[in-house]
Amino acid sequence: SYELTQPPSVSVSPGQTARIACSGDKLGDRFATWYQQRSGQSPVLVIYQSNKRPSGIPERFSGSSSGNTATLTISGTQAMDEADYYCQAWDTNTVLFGGGTTLTVL
Amino acid sequence: QVQLQESGPRLVKPSQTLSLTCTVSGGSISSKTYYWNWIRQHPGKGLEWIGFIYYSGSTYYNPSLKSRVTMSVDTSKNQFSLRLSSLTAADTAVYFCARDLAGGLLTTFDIWGQGTMVTVSS
Repeated sequence: SYELTQPPSVSVSPGQTARIACSGDKLGDRFATWYQQRSGQSPVLVIYQSNKRPSGIPERFSGSSSGNTATLTISGTQAMDEADYYCQAWDTNTVLFGGGTTLTVL
Repeated sequence: QVQLQESGPRLVKPSQTLSLTCTVSGGSISSKTYYWNWIRQHPGKGLEWIGFIYYSGSTYYNPSLKSRVTMSVDTSKNQFSLRLSSLTAADTAVYFCARDLAGGLLTTFDIWGQGTMVTVSS
């Protein structure tokens, strides 16, 4: 069965660039979507169709995809970006989520 | 703007059936654009998609849960509902309702409810 794999955790210093990877077989041929979930809150859409940013999401959030990997990049990371991030894609007959990555802003 | 709100019991006994309702406000559930979904999150864990319903009543469920899931829609009340049968402790989770912009390969959950914690325990 198809799986999306994310690193459990990523750490970044304030102002630096954070990159969170999501890997899956030929993921670059699909659309990857990314959600941010702050502690105790509902997920929020931050990137859709691999590289599109919804209105209201800061420009420091961007997405890319190639081969087997989709990447969420946060430039100039701020303390408020500390959260869990989930990638999501569609496979035959089902919606899949990655296991999530906890971003820590040190 | 469109908002979603889950409602239902917080505590359900094993072997019973869970019934949750999601009320859509600020927009019509009868829009032909959107798909209405249920997603759950086990405590401290990741997200699991349960399935969706379209305004017409068409449904699509996660194959791993399909035998226990039923979704319905009430356009007059602007609500859609989830029924999950034969509950076990493994069904203890936060249940979210969410709007999907497109479905299929373009699945994008742009609006989420606040979530409701459901505990399965005797």
